[in-house]
Amino acid sequence: EAGVAQSPRYKIIEKRQSVAFWCNPISGHATLYWYQQILGQGPKLLIQFQNNGVVDDSQLPKDRFSAERLKGVDSTLKIQPAKLEDSAVYLCASSLVVASTYEQYFGPGTRLTVT
Amino acid sequence: DAKTTQPNSMESNEEEPVHLPCNHSTISGTDYIHWYRQLPSQGPEYVIHGLTSNVNNRMASLAIAEDRKSSTLILHRATLRDAAVYYCILSGGSNYKLTFGKGTLLTVNP
Repeated sequence: EAGVAQSPRYKIIEKRQSVAFWCNPISGHATLYWYQQILGQGPKLLIQFQNNGVVDDSQLPKDRFSAERLKGVDSTLKIQPAKLEDSAVYLCASSLVVASTYEQYFGPGTRLTVT
Repeated sequence: DAKTTQPNSMESNEEEPVHLPCNHSTISGTDYIHWYRQLPSQGPEYVIHGLTSNVNNRMASLAIAEDRKSSTLILHRATLRDAAVYYCILSGGSNYKLTFGKGTLLTVNP
């Protein structure tokens, strides 16, 4: 079974530029998550989708971050404009459904450096 | 979100058992206890989860206190590949959100 795919793996941009990350979840997984992990901390949930609808985006900085999941499969996360404090690893995860008994499968992440 | 408390770091020797503790005194009756681990430069990986009873799988065992205010992840024979940050997480509510803390950094000595 193929895992969660993310691209790019690494990205370096200057502050005020824009950047986009792509995620392809495990086939058949209805729920998709984007997390931000700053160095030395645990991942923080940014947004959760169930199919193509948003379940939770309470911690997404909506003035600069946006995410979409068209057709309920792939997803993109965009930052515009980037700030220095956005430097982090952005992780995508998926699970079969939204339920506590279903594990989340994580991708390898995209490491973003904002200079 | 209900919070968990874990030691910042622990050390073990290869092929010895490891007991990773977690306190969650504010756990609610419907919260599940999850454990994930994160190897260096990788995304987190599911280890085990439980509600009230002790659980075993191929990776580990989860021992849950009778009052559910604490739990222990048990790795029966640590290997060098088990060196990772281990996160104890409570999940419940309508969307079963995982709220990660800083976890426990496990070092395994050869």
